[in-house]
Amino acid sequence: LAKTTQPISMDSYEGQEVNITCSHNNIATNDYITWYQQFPSQGPRFIIQGYKTKVTNEVASLFIPADRKSSTLSLPRVSLSDTAVYYCPGGSGNTGKLIFGQGTTLQVKP
Amino acid sequence: DTGVSQDPRHKITKRGQNVTFRCDPISEHNRLYWYRQTLGQGPEFLTYFQNEAQLEKSRLLSDRFSAERPKGSFSTLEIQRTEQGDSAMYLCASSLRGSSYEQYFGPGTRLTVT
Repeated sequence: LAKTTQPISMDSYEGQEVNITCSHNNIATNDYITWYQQFPSQGPRFIIQGYKTKVTNEVASLFIPADRKSSTLSLPRVSLSDTAVYYCPGGSGNTGKLIFGQGTTLQVKP
Repeated sequence: DTGVSQDPRHKITKRGQNVTFRCDPISEHNRLYWYRQTLGQGPEFLTYFQNEAQLEKSRLLSDRFSAERPKGSFSTLEIQRTEQGDSAMYLCASSLRGSSYEQYFGPGTRLTVT
């Protein structure tokens, strides 16, 4: 199973850049790396996806090293509304099944 | 709003009763997933459909759980003879086959079994 490991929690302050790292020790060759955000009482929301190197969208950047054993989600200039749980689920090949861990709870303080 | 919708949003039932949840995916998405999430944990995969075919079912899913997706559109998840351990948030997600890890989740149905 393509399980992932990430810190349980992180604290930051408004306006700072936040980097959350995830370990993908069992990632398959053809698996993409994805990150999701979840607010209380809501379903997870897709943030970004990549295969290798760097991907950037209007919300975040995703850095993936050449060996693809880890990934880093970068959130620029966070605000209070970025307080949420962030997941880097493992994948399961062609089924698209996502394997979620506990996620990283990000607390942004004023 | 053309996102994934789920109904009902909340359900309270007594132990032993049957419950059914509905999920309406994004219309052009051919894959549909069901997950379950308990407090403090990440979502846990239950089952998935490609069009109307149920292609995988978690071993954690007991025989009391059944899911359908007639005509490859909406899906239903039924739990028979509910138990207190079934209390959780039930999440539905949909995706296009070619970008399966990019899934769009509904708001979930929160089930409380008393």
